[in-house]
Amino acid sequence: QLVLTQSPSASASLGASVKLTCTLSSGHSSYAIAWHQQQPEKGPRYLMKLNSDGSHSKGDGIPDRFSGSSSGAERYLTISSLQSEDEADYYCQTWGTGIHVFGTGTKVTVL
Amino acid sequence: QVQLQESGPGLVKPSETLSLTCAVSGYSISSGYYWGWIRQPPGKGLEWIGSIYHSGSTYYNPSLKSRVTISVDTSKNQFSLKLSSVTAADTAVYYCARVQKRYGLYYFDYWGQGTLVTVSS
Repeated sequence: QLVLTQSPSASASLGASVKLTCTLSSGHSSYAIAWHQQQPEKGPRYLMKLNSDGSHSKGDGIPDRFSGSSSGAERYLTISSLQSEDEADYYCQTWGTGIHVFGTGTKVTVL
Repeated sequence: QVQLQESGPGLVKPSETLSLTCAVSGYSISSGYYWGWIRQPPGKGLEWIGSIYHSGSTYYNPSLKSRVTISVDTSKNQFSLKLSSVTAADTAVYYCARVQKRYGLYYFDYWGQGTLVTVSS
């Protein structure tokens, strides 16, 4: 079964960096994923598509502070130079056998 | 710039049918892509409901398949969601989105702002 696992929360200070993890279930380590950001009281926003080799393509207007990387079954989203507007929920998402799957989301708090 | 806007009743009675429409601007649905519906119960995560191609081909979340119908109207550049026999568990913010495909991954690259639907008598 295709499952994406995310930690519930993460925090870092203003101007620092934070690295979020999305783990693919066993047997799906080669899958690409997408990262989405959801700011409070807003709809989700597509950030980037991230491949198993770490290559990624970002959505329109996404700052360079957002980057992606991969290692095995883990997909990472790194936010550098944290800004107050980066405080949001972050979801990973993938697709397999005709089904779209979302991770449970990570809430990022900017201290 | 692709923009999507959901519309429909904000309150639906239990056992009735929820109906929503997504109007697309900045892109012609008939030009391609799949288009999808996703929902988010209050305080919870995202759940994919189903998607439709401009030709009318659909695929649904197996957990909702028996209650879901998605249709497309290319003349109005919009697509619609119907969810039957609703209960309080269907209370959620409903989003529409465009489905992009690149190198084997289907993902949502443009989202609407969402509309809250409450199921209550």
